[in-house]
Amino acid sequence: KNEVEQSPQNLTAQEGEFITINCSYSVGISALHWLQQHPGGGIVSLFMLSSGKKKHGRLIATINIQEKHSSLHITASHPRDSAVYICAVSASRDDKIIFGKGTRLHILP
Amino acid sequence: DAEITQSPRHKITETGRQVTLACHQTWNHNNMFWYRQDLGHGLRLIHYSYGVHDTNKGEVSDGYSVSRSNTEDLPLTLESAASSQTSVYFCASSEWGTEQGAFFGQGTRLTVV
Repeated sequence: KNEVEQSPQNLTAQEGEFITINCSYSVGISALHWLQQHPGGGIVSLFMLSSGKKKHGRLIATINIQEKHSSLHITASHPRDSAVYICAVSASRDDKIIFGKGTRLHILP
Repeated sequence: DAEITQSPRHKITETGRQVTLACHQTWNHNNMFWYRQDLGHGLRLIHYSYGVHDTNKGEVSDGYSVSRSNTEDLPLTLESAASSQTSVYFCASSEWGTEQGAFFGQGTRLTVV
């Protein structure tokens, strides 16, 4: 079983819809990252969380440390949000970064 | 501003050649990591280092080596490039006991022909 699991693997939605991507992990962590990758592109860090909730524009990330779960929300989704979203954790035991397999998001105009 | 940079961004090489990918960070982080990204596998750990002169193997280390002679740099060397090593390579850095989290390079797309 992977130590970081994301769902869904693929998501297609209409422009304007509210999007939620989920991440569950099974290891102790010092931080959780939400990353964005456009096709053929580099990795852009969206959020780094160790507790609570963060908001940046239309993006909101939450984390529940007790339940080992995080969510990334996109409000008023737009075709330019189409990308792969990756959840990654910094494991507290050895500081290694463990990545989820990513969620491929496609927003239709 | 502190940053982490990879070079080159794109590289085409021939089978059997030695190739070195550079990763340079100015965060003064002790921890540095190399990953490769492949369709269906996500990002997998190749090698990592917790400080100068420290190197460790990750889950897909065969055919790769790293060296850490200073804090800023962790070059990744492919000893004899193989077509199976065609991939996108990412490096990252982090530091123990901080809430900064990790920082990621922009990636190097390597094609072995």
